[in-house]
Amino acid sequence: DAKTTQPNSMESNEEEPVHLPCNHSTISGTDYIHWYRQLPSQGPEYVIHGLTSNVNNRMASLAIAEDRKSSTLILHRATLRDAAVYYCIAKSGNAGNMLTFGGGTRLMVKP
Amino acid sequence: DTGVSQDPRHKITKRGQNVTFRCDPISEHNRLYWYRQTLGQGPEFLTYFQNEAQLEKSRLLSDRFSAERPKGSFSTLEIQRTEQGDSAMYLCASSMTGNGYTFGSGTRLTVV
Repeated sequence: DAKTTQPNSMESNEEEPVHLPCNHSTISGTDYIHWYRQLPSQGPEYVIHGLTSNVNNRMASLAIAEDRKSSTLILHRATLRDAAVYYCIAKSGNAGNMLTFGGGTRLMVKP
Repeated sequence: DTGVSQDPRHKITKRGQNVTFRCDPISEHNRLYWYRQTLGQGPEFLTYFQNEAQLEKSRLLSDRFSAERPKGSFSTLEIQRTEQGDSAMYLCASSMTGNGYTFGSGTRLTVV
């Protein structure tokens, strides 16, 4: 999997949008961009993934740069329950089926 | 579908003892993964099964660690002669080929 770089932490106010950035400059053409989040005392939870086009689901949106060297996870209205560590993973579509986690971004949501 | 279940949730053991953890994946998922997570770090891959075949093992998986998935359903992870450095959260995940991964809540191991 390609290396990803994320800020260690970010803060947001409740009910405001949050943009979580991720750099993956060495991503290959077949690597998917996955986002997982981990709430305290729980295992990671799938959020969203994409290859080239922007993606939306009920949890979040994923905006992928045209050159695919970066992406942004967008939470449209942060809630206190969104406070978690968010992991960006550039997963190889070829050999190796595991997810390779980095340090992630700890998101703090203020009421 | 009750998700991925792990048992026990917590385990405290004395150094040198053997421990075994169990993971029950989502029933239709053919892939099962074990990860280890220490405080403040992201999960680290240990090993992965497709059905009953163990297809990949990390170099983190020393000779004291062994994992099985005998009938392609549940899996066990055993650690022999535990050391204090084995203290961590052990996470299990399952997936259907090509889809997202579902993680369990983990087993927290403390070696004293």
